[in-house]
Amino acid sequence: AQTVTQSQPEMSVQEAETVTLSCTYDTSESDYYLFWYKQPPSRQMILVIRQEAYKQQNATENRFSVNFQKAAKSFSLKISDSQLGDAAMYFCAYGESGGGADGLTFGKGTHLIIQP
Amino acid sequence: DAMVIQNPRYQVTQFGKPVTLSCSQTLNHNVMYWYQQKSSQAPKLLFHYYDKDFNNEADTPDNFQSRRPNTSFCFLDIRSPGLGDAAMYLCATGASGRRNEQFFGPGTRLTVL
Repeated sequence: AQTVTQSQPEMSVQEAETVTLSCTYDTSESDYYLFWYKQPPSRQMILVIRQEAYKQQNATENRFSVNFQKAAKSFSLKISDSQLGDAAMYFCAYGESGGGADGLTFGKGTHLIIQP
Repeated sequence: DAMVIQNPRYQVTQFGKPVTLSCSQTLNHNVMYWYQQKSSQAPKLLFHYYDKDFNNEADTPDNFQSRRPNTSFCFLDIRSPGLGDAAMYLCATGASGRRNEQFFGPGTRLTVL
C-alpha cells in the first residue's frame, strides 16, 4: 500500500519569506500523480499544485513550486513571497494513474503559520 | 460557479442514532468520494462511487454506508454512530481520466454526544 509522510507537523515563516514543506512517499508504481492541497481553517480543501510522475519538469503555479525527486520519492513544496493568506494546513497526496478513479492517499499535513 | 456542496456543515447526533450526511455537485463528475478526517489526522478514504459502481475500502466499518441516487447527489449514512465516529467528513468529486484531480466540498463536522 502507498504511504505518504509529512515530517513537519508545523512550520512558521515570516511574511514575504520563502518556506519549503517536505513530503516523502512510498510506492512500487512508476506512473502516478502527486498533489499539494491547502486547507484553510474552517474552509474547504483546494488544490495548490499537481505533478505527474512521468514528467521530469517540476510543476510551478505562480508563487508555488515543487521539487520532485522521483528516485528519492520526495515531493517538497516551496512557497515564495509568503502571504498571510497562505496560512493553512497543507496536505501532500498521492494518486494512482490509469483511469483516475481511485481515492487519494494523504499525509498527516503541515500546519503553516505566517508571521506578519 | 461549479462546486461541491455539503449539508449540513455541522451535525450533532446522539450515540447510536442514525445520521445521514449529504453531498451534491454541479461539476457533472462521474466519481464521488467520501473521506473521514479526524482531528489532526490525514483524510482517510471510506468509499467511492465510480458512476453507479460502489467501491468500499477494505477497512471501512460496516457502520458506514453510502447511496448515490443520481450523478449529482451522494449520501453518507452512519447507522449507529459511536463516539469514535466524531470527525470531519469530506465529500470530493473527480472525473475519471482527468489525472486524479479531486474537488472537495467544505466538509460536515459530526459531533456524537
